[in-house]
Amino acid sequence: GDSVTQMEGPVTLSEEAFLTINCTYTATGYPSLFWYVQYPGEGLQLLLKATKADDKGSNKGFEATYRKETTSFHLEKGSVQVSDSAVYFCALSGARGNEKLTFGTGTRLTIIP
Amino acid sequence: NAGVTQTPKFQVLKTGQSMTLQCAQDMNHNSMYWYRQDPGMGLRLIYYSASEGTTDKGEVPNGYNVSRLNKREFSLRLESAAPSQTSVYFCASRGNGEKLFFGSGTQLSVL
Repeated sequence: GDSVTQMEGPVTLSEEAFLTINCTYTATGYPSLFWYVQYPGEGLQLLLKATKADDKGSNKGFEATYRKETTSFHLEKGSVQVSDSAVYFCALSGARGNEKLTFGTGTRLTIIP
Repeated sequence: NAGVTQTPKFQVLKTGQSMTLQCAQDMNHNSMYWYRQDPGMGLRLIYYSASEGTTDKGEVPNGYNVSRLNKREFSLRLESAAPSQTSVYFCASRGNGEKLFFGSGTQLSVL
């Protein structure tokens, strides 16, 4: 079945550091890929997505590129801010557009001023 | 625009008690979902409803029941709560796109 493997956390960085959170997936066909973010005390919200190979999703300075050859969708940001502290989830939607979204285990990111 | 509204936000139960978690969305979405979030395990799908009148099991349905009361509302019921059901529960909905909209969660403790 579909699965998502995400970088173990927690991750602690200093403000303005470069961020990478790794995500790899297993799925049949061509799934859509997502990064969701969860701020303290809130539900998840969509950060970015990519629907086909070589697509780059981007939002709020974050980027992720759909790499079919390595089955990866790593999240990157060039200069993190304290406000980026949150839990980040990688997810995929099945190739046939089925109803279920499969999530990774989440990576807690803390940015220190 | 309220989006997805969950109630209650917090609940403490004793083992064996029952309760219903309520969820409503005002975006006219067809699909609704219940997830649980546990440390180190991410979000796991309990049940989902692709449209009014239909429900299907997700990854971890045991110990839960759901009702899609109408297009707006999707409730989750614990008939006999167990400590293993201590978790944070999230309701979500989806329209025609692939984006899920989440509620703010219910923190449930079963003693």
